[in-house]
Amino acid sequence: KNQVEQSPQSLIILEGKNCTLQCNYTVSPFSNLRWYKQDTGRGPVSLTIMTFSENTKSNGRYTATLDADTKQSSLHITASQLSDSASYICEVNTGGFKTIFGAGTRLFVKA
Amino acid sequence: EPEVTQTPSHQVTQMGQEVILRCVPISNHLYFYWYRQILGQKVEFLVSFYNNEISEKSEIFDDQFSVERPDGSNFTLKIRSTKLEDSAMYFCASSEEGPSYEQYFGPGTRLTVT
Repeated sequence: KNQVEQSPQSLIILEGKNCTLQCNYTVSPFSNLRWYKQDTGRGPVSLTIMTFSENTKSNGRYTATLDADTKQSSLHITASQLSDSASYICEVNTGGFKTIFGAGTRLFVKA
Repeated sequence: EPEVTQTPSHQVTQMGQEVILRCVPISNHLYFYWYRQILGQKVEFLVSFYNNEISEKSEIFDDQFSVERPDGSNFTLKIRSTKLEDSAMYFCASSEEGPSYEQYFGPGTRLTVT
């Protein structure tokens, strides 16, 4: 069964600290993997898109990694800011237009 | 910066009524999508639309749902006879090209079925 699992479910960190969010998937076939940031009550905003052949992709303070062999991805946030408080969602595209979303990690950054 | 817009931001309707959710995708984008997110749950793919026809749809997108691009700018999602379980945030998205390209999401319409 195609699934996308994210961990932790929620995370609290202090402003300025780094954190890493995990995404494991059992999706087949695999086309690409995306990370989104979703503020409460808003639409998701794309952070990174990675295809099978890409191991790392950065977008400012966000760095995503992908291990297609183990079917794992991570999103590393460097020097967190209060505005980073949001849900971070992993999405895997199975080919065509069908995608499977993870439940997200709720990140709280405290001053 | 261009953005996807959606109206209304909040729609309250009675069970059994028809609703139409409206979206204006980014003007040079060719692919359009609808997603829904039930409160506290995952985002779920509903349907993708390209070249004036559905390119793919999920199991959720049954006969109660339909999509249309009535003119050159609007993209609509119609739910014919709403059910309580249709209550959710509905997000429209668009992309310049196909599924490998970045999708831009609108702010969503919160649908409440009473």
